Order: sequence, then C-alpha cells, then structure tokens
Amino acid sequence: AQSVTQPDIHITVSEGASLELRCNYSYGATPYLFWYVQSPGQGLQLLLKYFSGDTLVQGIKGFEAEFKRSQSSFNLRKPSVHWSDAAEYFCAVGAGGATNKLIFGTGTLLAVQP
Amino acid sequence: GAGVSQSPSNKVTEKGKDVELRCDPISGHTALYWYRQSLGQGLEFLIYFQGNSAPDKSGLPSDRFSAERTGGSVSTLTIQRTQQEDSAVYLCASSPPLASGRGYEQYFGPGTRLTVT
Repeated sequence: AQSVTQPDIHITVSEGASLELRCNYSYGATPYLFWYVQSPGQGLQLLLKYFSGDTLVQGIKGFEAEFKRSQSSFNLRKPSVHWSDAAEYFCAVGAGGATNKLIFGTGTLLAVQP
Repeated sequence: GAGVSQSPSNKVTEKGKDVELRCDPISGHTALYWYRQSLGQGLEFLIYFQGNSAPDKSGLPSDRFSAERTGGSVSTLTIQRTQQEDSAVYLCASSPPLASGRGYEQYFGPGTRLTVT
C-alpha cells in the first residue's frame, strides 16, 4: 500500500537560513508527488507537484523539491526562509487509478526564529 | 478566480445530532474530494466524486457518514448521530478535468471545524 513518511514533526530555523523538509514515499510505480502548506486555520495550498520529467521542480513562494527515485524521496527546499513561511507542510502521494486520492504524511511544523 | 468554499466554517453540535457540511468546488472542476483532518488520524480520504460516475466511498469510516453531489457541483457531507470521535476538520478539494492536463492537482477549501460535545 502507498504511504508517506515525514520524519521531522517539528523544525525550527532562523529567518534567512536554508530549509530542507524530508519526505519519503512508498509506491509501486512512478508516483504523483505533492507538497502542500497549511497556515493556522486555513486549508491546504498546493506548493508544487511532480508527475514526470525533470526531477527538480519549482513551486510557488520560492520553494523547490527534488524527486529521487533511488531514495524514494521528494524533499522540499528553500534557500532563504522568511518569517511568513512558518506553517505546517504536508507531503502527499497520489494513489493513482480512477480516484487518485491523496495519501498524506503526518506533516512537519515549521517555526521561524527572527 | 474563486476558490473552493465550505460552510459553515465552524460547527458545534451535541452528541447524537445530525450535521450537514457543504462544499462549493471551483467552477469547471469535475472531481470533488472530501478529507478529514484530526489529531489522531492526520489527513485521511473520505469520498470522491467524478462527473456522473458512481462515487468512491471507500474512505467513509462508518455508515453514519454519507455524501452527495447535486448537479455535478455542490456537495454535502452528512454525519448522522454524531460521536465525539467525529470531531475534526473536514476539508473539501476539487480538481480540473483530466483533459486539462491538471486533473491530478487538488485544490482545497478552508475546511469546516466540527466539534461534537
């Protein structure tokens, strides 16, 4: 069965520092992979997605992610974090088939120190 | 353009009562999903609608949960005889048609926070 692991529950970084959030997935075929961000009291906003092709994908708000098939990973990165990036980040894999429901990781809560 | 909207934003109900949660998808989107976000279970799929096809109800946790989608647009999630473990944020998402090339992207609404007392 498909699954997503986000090993870091909570990460704190200083404003201006670089960021990497880890995501590992389990899926039998080429996955559809997503990163979403959720601010307090808000819904989920799509940051970026990977379907095929170039393994380094660019998203909104200066985020990027790299698909590494050999490591079953899809880590999210940002070179310089802003205070407004403080939020919870969810990695997800599309289950494919007729439904393509999303299987989510447990999320990583990002805090940004001034 | 307008995003996915959900109502109410918050709902407090007594154990045993029925509740209805509403979702208005993005105009032109053909697929609609319901998810539940709770502290203990994280984000979990509930049900999926695509056009006029039979819905995928495989994620509904019990027969107290049901959903319908009228006219291929608005959807209502109904929980009968609510229990305290139903307390969660219920999120709705919609997707463009597959032919658009973006059919695997899901766009989420702000959610309805349900509290069962």
